[in-house]
Amino acid sequence: DAKTTQPPSMDCAEGRAANLPCNHSTISGNEYVYWYRQIHSQGPQYIIHGLKNNETNEMASLIITEDRKSSTLILPHATLRDTAVYYCIVRVGAGSARQLTFGSGTQLTVLP
Amino acid sequence: EAGVAQSPRYKIIEKRQSVAFWCNPISGHATLYWYQQILGQGPKLLIQFQNNGVVDDSQLPKDRFSAERLKGVDSTLKIQPAKLEDSAVYLCASRLAGHNIYEQYFGPGTRLTVT
Repeated sequence: DAKTTQPPSMDCAEGRAANLPCNHSTISGNEYVYWYRQIHSQGPQYIIHGLKNNETNEMASLIITEDRKSSTLILPHATLRDTAVYYCIVRVGAGSARQLTFGSGTQLTVLP
Repeated sequence: EAGVAQSPRYKIIEKRQSVAFWCNPISGHATLYWYQQILGQGPKLLIQFQNNGVVDDSQLPKDRFSAERLKGVDSTLKIQPAKLEDSAVYLCASRLAGHNIYEQYFGPGTRLTVT
């Protein structure tokens, strides 16, 4: 099972880009990388996912290194509402029993 | 579209007491998950249902935890008897059958404190 490593906490100034790293050096060739975030007192919320190409949506961009051993989630213009715990996840299992395994994540604090 | 509903939002009980949590998934979502989130940790899957059948309960402490989804819609998670280490947020999530695993929608959770 692929595991992920993230820094426990990061700060970012409001309006600046927030770059959240994740190491997944044991990822398999067909495993996706998923990012979720959890705002205080809420359930996790899906942000973005990718396999090997960079991805962008209305919330964030995901940069995956060529060897797929690490990735970076980019919030281009962080706001105070982006303060949350960010989880980098690699899919575990197969078939109908596959599940998301959350680590401890990175607490991102956006500072005014 | 209404989200995943959970109740109660907060519960405080003494150890050895029983407690039950309720989850109403998004309408039409056949897959339902219960997660346990201990303070400072990420959510951990306890059980996954597909309609009213259990798909995966390998991480459910079956000596004290039970869950059911009798009609394939609402679900209840029960702890009997509770221990101090059960203090956590219990999250329910749902997903449309056949949709990608990341398309899970989470409820706000029930925060359980066992004293």
